[in-house]
Amino acid sequence: DQQVKQNSPSLSVQEGRISILNCDYTNSMFDYFLWYKKYPAEGPTFLISISSIKDKNEDGRFTVFLNKSAKHLSLHIVPSQPGDSAVYFCAAPDSSNTGKLIFGQGTTLQVKP
Amino acid sequence: NAGVMQNPRHLVRRRGQEARLRCSPMKGHSHVYWYRQLPEEGLKFMVYLQKENIIDESGMPKERFSAEFPKEGPSILRIQQVVRGDSAAYFCASSPQKGSQETQYFGPGTRLLVL
Repeated sequence: DQQVKQNSPSLSVQEGRISILNCDYTNSMFDYFLWYKKYPAEGPTFLISISSIKDKNEDGRFTVFLNKSAKHLSLHIVPSQPGDSAVYFCAAPDSSNTGKLIFGQGTTLQVKP
Repeated sequence: NAGVMQNPRHLVRRRGQEARLRCSPMKGHSHVYWYRQLPEEGLKFMVYLQKENIIDESGMPKERFSAEFPKEGPSILRIQQVVRGDSAAYFCASSPQKGSQETQYFGPGTRLLVL
């Protein structure tokens, strides 16, 4: 039962353009969502989050949008830079309130110079 | 302030051997989570511990796997009698307190290869 899904395994974007990474979820009880970025041979690093009471959160070049009715969130990176090339995971804490995270499968972003 | 530390970074074991993975949380963090990433998949929760207590082990395989977080020292994930299917990257994360709003900080992972 995949509660958090990232249906695009990979995305390739030209430097300077917008990258849009998508994530769908099935559990309407999720109250918080996070995006993590992961480079090869490293652990995931926190990027940006959004509470379910908001529909948008912005931090510099990164903006996350939440559409609760569609159970969909997206991460926008503008402008994309080659250093953004990494695997991006969306995640949500499960409803048990232990803080454990449920991750999507990840999307590999390649930003071409 | 050092980040989350994991060792070893790479571990090679033959089938039937034991694997011990260590995780030292960030200073001041008393909550540790272990996740496993199989090839081409996302991270899957395994176990959540606080000092001297296992809080949630719902993601742990029923056999061969165990975890601890003693009063002193790192958290240990132990895999007995490893099989090839245990080959994966194992990540631990720490946070200062539990709850959905707290960001978890991840270590660099231990890549286990079972021959």
